[in-house]
Amino acid sequence: VLTQSPGTLSLSPGERATLSCRASQTVRSDYLAWYRQTPGQAPRLLVYGSSSRAPGIPDRFRGSGSGTDFTLTISRLESEDFAVYYCQLYGTSPLYTFGQGTKVEIK
Amino acid sequence: EVQLVESGGGLGRPGGSLRISCTVSGFSLDDYGMSWVRQRPGKGLEWVSGIVNWNGGVTSYAESVRGRFTISKDEAKNSLYLHMSSLRVEDTALYFCVRDSYYYAVDVWGQGTAVTVSS
Repeated sequence: VLTQSPGTLSLSPGERATLSCRASQTVRSDYLAWYRQTPGQAPRLLVYGSSSRAPGIPDRFRGSGSGTDFTLTISRLESEDFAVYYCQLYGTSPLYTFGQGTKVEIK
Repeated sequence: EVQLVESGGGLGRPGGSLRISCTVSGFSLDDYGMSWVRQRPGKGLEWVSGIVNWNGGVTSYAESVRGRFTISKDEAKNSLYLHMSSLRVEDTALYFCVRDSYYYAVDVWGQGTAVTVSS
């Protein structure tokens, strides 16, 4: 089980966002990924292997963590970053488990 | 350009069946595993089913759909399918066709096809 916190984060453009994802047991770091979903769009892969940015993802996105605690940090929020973020754990059955999501909204 | 395009969604009746499809381009189904992920209205993401690109295309299912849904693919047609039977109201969702990357995450998403189950 993956638990994301907070449920909602209210911030202003240019501010720093820190999103948390906690696993119920120790997981392999290379099995943890992060996605961003803007309204009406499909999710987009941001980070895989807990800290590797996907192709085309700007360096304001930084993933970190190990064990049971993982973090996605967005250094300076831009307009397209106000969205819902999901962490995801790779497994066998189910193949992918997603957290419940963190919404980053404009303050 | 890598692209996934879903089709076949619509209205299904409780207890009925529907088949949704995904046509892929820009890569071969021989080279990647594929999955279906759904999103109920206003809710989060749920992996539904997957099929690997090796070992004869082994399939796997979420507990919530096992025995009711069947995933398959036709590599010659560059197409992925999800046959849904014994539909339930709670199967109402946007169904995304997705590509399983080589690094334990989904690297390509379709835009989704909406399935509504209602009497």
